[in-house]
Amino acid sequence: KQEVTQIPAALSVPEGENLVLNCSFTDSAIYNLQWFRQDPGKGLTSLLLIQSSQREQTSGRLNASLDKSSGRSTLYIAASQPGDSATYLCAVSGNQFYFGTGTSLTVIP
Amino acid sequence: GAVVSQHPSWVICKSGTSVKIECRSLDFQATTMFWYRQFPKQSLMLMATSNEGSKATYEQGVEKDKFLINHASLTLSTLTVTSAHPEDSSFYICSAPTAGDTNTEAFFGQGTRLTVV
Repeated sequence: KQEVTQIPAALSVPEGENLVLNCSFTDSAIYNLQWFRQDPGKGLTSLLLIQSSQREQTSGRLNASLDKSSGRSTLYIAASQPGDSATYLCAVSGNQFYFGTGTSLTVIP
Repeated sequence: GAVVSQHPSWVICKSGTSVKIECRSLDFQATTMFWYRQFPKQSLMLMATSNEGSKATYEQGVEKDKFLINHASLTLSTLTVTSAHPEDSSFYICSAPTAGDTNTEAFFGQGTRLTVV
């Protein structure tokens, strides 16, 4: 069974810092990997989708990479802002979506 | 991106009653929808896969008679929590891949916070 792990579980940084969130998965046979943002008590907002044949995707200050063979993905957030504070989840898709436990990010003004 | 609307966003009900949660794809047809449950500070756990025009597929350990799923049209799936108990209190989220399978981007509803008292 696919297992998805996210490290760190929580992260607190001052505003303006660049940061990296990590996601690892045990089964490399995936269709794609998706990063989401979840605000407290809210649903999920899709941030970036990386197809299994791709290496990275970029959207604004966000850059996500995928190394399928090693079972790793990173989400890079540049010049962090207080509004980036949220929980970030990664999910890999096979016959279903498998979610990591998330990284809770706090950006301190 | 595609829009998935979930209603209600929160609901409080008494033990023993039933609660229906709706999940709608607003600008695309969804032959498949997924229902997840999320406990505090935990990740999403897949409960069941809802298939338009056929029976839902439930994950191991999920009671199909308690969590009734109906996918009557290409834009609507419903989850009914029957005879709710306090332990059913949780955050329920639906999602729909835009092309009907997990090989495409998934969009999520806003979630429903269910509290059973």
